[in-house]
Amino acid sequence: DVKVTQSSRYLVKRTGEKVFLECVQDMDHENMFWYRQDPGLGLRLIYFSYDVKMKEKGDIPEGYSVSREKKERFSLILESASTNQTSMYLCASSLLAGGSGELFFGEGSRLTVL
Amino acid sequence: QKEVEQNSGPLSVPEGAIASLNCTYSDRGSQSFFWYRQYSGKSPELIMSIYSNGDKEDGRFTAQLNKASQYVSLLIRDSQPSDSATYLCAVNQAGTALIFGKGTTLSVSS
Repeated sequence: DVKVTQSSRYLVKRTGEKVFLECVQDMDHENMFWYRQDPGLGLRLIYFSYDVKMKEKGDIPEGYSVSREKKERFSLILESASTNQTSMYLCASSLLAGGSGELFFGEGSRLTVL
Repeated sequence: QKEVEQNSGPLSVPEGAIASLNCTYSDRGSQSFFWYRQYSGKSPELIMSIYSNGDKEDGRFTAQLNKASQYVSLLIRDSQPSDSATYLCAVNQAGTALIFGKGTTLSVSS
């Protein structure tokens, strides 16, 4: 089974802090994604990556950056956390590119910014 | 901005009934369509994928796709209380990634 592991399930940070959300997958997938999920707004795509060192902006990239130094690891970075970034963050990986294949999700990281 | 639209619900059905969930999408170039189920406090998990027009059945679940009408649906037969969850429709935005609808909450009463 594919396993996508997000390092932190719950985080509480203060406004202005730099926040790292880590995600690791063990199935050698090329494609990795970061979404955030908010009540009433659903899942929204922040960034995605189809290859090591490659990244593409999703629908809501503002205030975020990403890092993909190794194939199995995709990190989401909040350079200066703000209260409107309080959310559930979901990492996912996929065997196929272009949204063609099944996404496997991690358990999520619930971030609260005070 | 490509969009995926779903009725938010809640959709309430009695145990044993058929639940019908609907989704429309705006990107005519989309080729891949998925239904995910998400229990409260859990991550989404894939139920069905469909890539061509028509029906696709898997157990109690049937996905229906009509690309001309830009419409995807999910039928759940013999609904069970364990089917109570939020159902997310996802559509690939050509060349990029999956775009999700906001989800429909289904409640099955026993």
